[in-house]
Amino acid sequence: DAGVTQSPTHLIKTRGQQVTLRCSPKSGHDTVSWYQQALGQGPQFIFQYYEEEERQRGNFPDRFSGHQFPNYSSELNVNALLLGDSALYLCASSSGVGRATYGYTFGSGTRLTVV
Amino acid sequence: GQSLEQPSEVTAVEGAIVQINCTYQTSGFYGLSWYQQHDGGAPTFLSYNALDGLEETGRFSSFLSRSDSYGYLLLQELQMKDSASYFCACFSNYQLIWGAGTKLIIKP
Repeated sequence: DAGVTQSPTHLIKTRGQQVTLRCSPKSGHDTVSWYQQALGQGPQFIFQYYEEEERQRGNFPDRFSGHQFPNYSSELNVNALLLGDSALYLCASSSGVGRATYGYTFGSGTRLTVV
Repeated sequence: GQSLEQPSEVTAVEGAIVQINCTYQTSGFYGLSWYQQHDGGAPTFLSYNALDGLEETGRFSSFLSRSDSYGYLLLQELQMKDSASYFCACFSNYQLIWGAGTKLIIKP
């Protein structure tokens, strides 16, 4: 049973560029949430997708956008990259929009470095 | 605002017991979760407390007191593989709000 798969694992981009990160949820899960984790910090919620729509959004600018496909996979897009966008980007999947009592399943993340 | 506070670092000896505390201030509290994250790895779910009391899962236990806005994670019979960062997190508006994490250092 495959868990959450994220690609790529590492990425280096230049300031001002655009980046797309991808996530395939765990089999049986239909909800995908994206988090940003800066070094030495806890993850920060970016947004959540369910039924191909953004359901909730954290305190992130419009430069951060996403998409969910009919097969439940998801993309995170970041435009006009800033040095401060350098972080580990985590994708978490769960079943249904809600409190995921039994926990989210996280991917290993994409390490984005902006230079 | 919403916040969770936990110690930045805890040191313990292999085979011992360690407790990691977490205090929280959130709106619409639905329960406290604990996650483990090894360096460079994915956070993995450990436990969830919706009600007051102790939940036990093998060597790990988690406690919640809603009246005190406080919880803790208890790790027994520490093993070197338990060296990791531990995060408390709670649900609010369909998102997890996380603490900054506690780095657990285990000495032989």
